[in-house]
Amino acid sequence: AQSVTQLDSQVPVFEEAPVELRCNYSSSVSVYLFWYVQYPNQGLQLLLKYLSGSTLVKGINGFEAEFNKSQTSFHLRKPSVHISDTAEYFCAVSKGGTSYGKLTFGQGTILTVHP
Amino acid sequence: DAGVTQSPTHLIKTRGQQVTLRCSPKSGHDTVSWYQQALGQGPQFIFQYYEEEERQRGNFPDRFSGHQFPNYSSELNVNALLLGDSALYLCASTLSGTGAQPQHFGDGTRLSIL
Repeated sequence: AQSVTQLDSQVPVFEEAPVELRCNYSSSVSVYLFWYVQYPNQGLQLLLKYLSGSTLVKGINGFEAEFNKSQTSFHLRKPSVHISDTAEYFCAVSKGGTSYGKLTFGQGTILTVHP
Repeated sequence: DAGVTQSPTHLIKTRGQQVTLRCSPKSGHDTVSWYQQALGQGPQFIFQYYEEEERQRGNFPDRFSGHQFPNYSSELNVNALLLGDSALYLCASTLSGTGAQPQHFGDGTRLSIL
């Protein structure tokens, strides 16, 4: 079975500063990796995904993530954050094949951007 | 192009009652998954429907059941409601058989049990 650990429950940061949200996963098989963002009272919006190929993945809103197989990590980064990035961020994994679509989520990281 | 739509947006029930939540997938999608998100936690997978059958199931009791209709829409039913069933219920859809397509989520139904 897969599991996901988001290493920080809350990350405060000032506007225009860089940010990294950390995610580690465990799985006995190859997985697909995702980052989702959730704004208050809304569902989840896909930021980016790693399926295969280049380990550096670029997503929407200036976010990027790097897949590190040896460290089983998929950390999310943004070089300069905005107030509007304040939200909760979830890292998720899924297996391929018939198990595809069953996402296992981390506990979430609340990113708060201060002016 | 309509995304995933869920109804109702909010619902209040009492312990022991039954509830039905509804989901219409994104246009062109044929697979629907349901997730439960308790306050302060990440979503947890309940089950997935494809071709009107339950294809995968998470660690949820039989009180949680579902259905998928020929138009790919889906319902989540919960019987004998418990206080612990209070949560945001999210529906997600995708197109099966196309490799690694991501899930698209609706805005959820907030279920409160009194």
